[in-house]
Amino acid sequence: DTGVSQNPRHKITKRGQNVTFRCDPISEHNRLYWYRQTLGQGPEFLTYFQNEAQLEKSRLLSDRFSAERPKGSFSTLEIQRTEQGDSAMYLCASGRLTGMGTDTQYFGPGTRLTVL
Amino acid sequence: QQQVKQSPQSLIVQKGGIPIINCAYENTAFDYFPWYQQFPGKGPALLIAIRPDVSEKKEGRFTISFNKSAKQFSLHIMDSQPGDSATYFCAASMNSNYQLIWGAGTKLIIKP
Repeated sequence: DTGVSQNPRHKITKRGQNVTFRCDPISEHNRLYWYRQTLGQGPEFLTYFQNEAQLEKSRLLSDRFSAERPKGSFSTLEIQRTEQGDSAMYLCASGRLTGMGTDTQYFGPGTRLTVL
Repeated sequence: QQQVKQSPQSLIVQKGGIPIINCAYENTAFDYFPWYQQFPGKGPALLIAIRPDVSEKKEGRFTISFNKSAKQFSLHIMDSQPGDSATYFCAASMNSNYQLIWGAGTKLIIKP
């Protein structure tokens, strides 16, 4: 399967613990996005990379959140000192420019985080 | 001005009917409008997308209608099937940063 993969698929943690998620994009895609989705809502943008450079971060991305994409391949999203409000599905997408002159984003299955 | 408003929140249609989901936006800088389909426990999957220079686009049973002056676009599903039951999201982005701004989603149920 050559789609976007995310690990782990589910994570249960206690409040105050740190968690890290991994995203492996489609290999030829140079853009990588992180979104957060809560139940019954559309995804909310968190941050995006072009190759290894983090180009934009949402104000939703507090200082407890950090994302990296070393070498422009896989990416990690770390949440420090988790809070119950961090419980959500964390989605990764990778993208490439298409003939429409814009970026088509392909999503992974997500990592569902539950903070107890 | 960044919002995308989607309606209805939920929709039930008989098999073979044509569900229609509507979205409206304010930011005229948006220039890319995709629709995504999401099944429970899965990530969103791209269905079809349109740019504002066309008023309609068809791919298989899915059609986007786009009204630039009204700043509205809609998804039509022809000959709907129970397997189309899912949550559908509209979104919008602009070439300057490609960040997708999403609607709140429509939960569609196709009854056999």
